[in-house]
Amino acid sequence: AQSVTQPDIHITVSEGASLELRCNYSYGATPYLFWYVQSPGQGLQLLLKYFSGDTLVQGIKGFEAEFKRSQSSFNLRKPSVHWSDAAEYFCAVGTPNDYKLSFGAGTTVTVRA
Amino acid sequence: GAGVSQSPSNKVTEKGKDVELRCDPISGHTALYWYRQSLGQGLEFLIYFQGNSAPDKSGLPSDRFSAERTGGSVSTLTIQRTQQEDSAVYLCASSLRQLGALRTQYFGPGTRLTVL
Repeated sequence: AQSVTQPDIHITVSEGASLELRCNYSYGATPYLFWYVQSPGQGLQLLLKYFSGDTLVQGIKGFEAEFKRSQSSFNLRKPSVHWSDAAEYFCAVGTPNDYKLSFGAGTTVTVRA
Repeated sequence: GAGVSQSPSNKVTEKGKDVELRCDPISGHTALYWYRQSLGQGLEFLIYFQGNSAPDKSGLPSDRFSAERTGGSVSTLTIQRTQQEDSAVYLCASSLRQLGALRTQYFGPGTRLTVL
């Protein structure tokens, strides 16, 4: 079965600084990968997804992620963080034969002025 | 168009009571999922509906949990004889039909359940 690890529980970043959130997955073939964001009291919003093709994926709100098969990683990046990016971020993995998504434990991002 | 909606947004109940949580999927989405997000834990899959097919209930934690989907649209998750460990945020998601390929799941705002 597939699994996801988000090594960082909490990250604090200054407004305007760059952000990188790590995600490592475990799966024998090419997985389907997702990043979701959850603001306080809200549901999950899809930021971006990777199914196949170009390994650098652009998402909403200025986020991007890069799929690296050799490292089993799908790290999320943003060049310049805004205060509104403070939220919890979840990486998720799915497979072609299983509709259930497996989620990481999440990374909470705090943005300081 | 409208996204996935869930009601109520918050539910406080006493231990031993039954609760019903409702999910309205995105129009045209035939697949519907329930997940649970407990404090300090990630999201765990509960149940999956696809059209008129038998649901996948493999994630339901106990027989106190059940779910139904009427008319291929609205779904209700029922928890009987609630326990304090049932306190969590219950998230519903929907997607286009899963047919040999994983479809993107779109999530609702969730129902926060607190069992006293």
